[in-house]
Amino acid sequence: ETGVTQTPRHLVMGMTNKKSLKCEQHLGHNAMYWYKQSAKKPLELMFVYNFKEQTENNSVPSRFSPECPNSSHLFLHLHTLQPEDSALYLCASSPRLAGAKDTQYFGPGTRLTVL
Amino acid sequence: AQKVTQAQTEISVVEKEDVTLDCVYETRDTTYYLFWYKQPPSGELVFLIRRNSFDEQNEISGRYSWNFQKSTSSFNFTITASQVVDSAVYFCALSDSRDDKIIFGKGTRLHILP
Repeated sequence: ETGVTQTPRHLVMGMTNKKSLKCEQHLGHNAMYWYKQSAKKPLELMFVYNFKEQTENNSVPSRFSPECPNSSHLFLHLHTLQPEDSALYLCASSPRLAGAKDTQYFGPGTRLTVL
Repeated sequence: AQKVTQAQTEISVVEKEDVTLDCVYETRDTTYYLFWYKQPPSGELVFLIRRNSFDEQNEISGRYSWNFQKSTSSFNFTITASQVVDSAVYFCALSDSRDDKIIFGKGTRLHILP
């Protein structure tokens, strides 16, 4: 496999469920990101990890819990979500931190529906 | 503060027409980077281009071209001889040296009609 992969591609869950989203990058990058893309909002950065350490938490509610066990894998653990959390969740990676030096490469996203 | 404005929410053109997607940005930094991404219906954001603020030379890649104008803080994207496969949402984005975040515009949904 190449690039950035995300599983599952689609997820439907109830508000009391616990689920996890998985992201894996095969690019040898050291920084990974979670974004939320809602229907009528710009892309929202949620979390940033650099060399497995969280460097950014963009005021995300605690019902979203990220985990980065190594530079290739990133998880987003979900529990007691709300219907307004329904969105496309995108994972990205970059060689180092984004922007000034490196381009981010995105996965295909997980389409989450919370009932 | 950083800001990216894509004033065109949705554009429809007939196949083979040229189309330009507008992007206007705001930053107080003199060193910054601009990006364009394409998001087809499959959902994945596909990286198209990155330009730094010191390189105002316009770029052409096949049917795609980008016009960077610092004087008007714009980084417009033109597709020449559009094709149905160009139908997607296109995002312009900005990052400056003060911050490691990339700020995305709201996107322009482009429909290429056969």
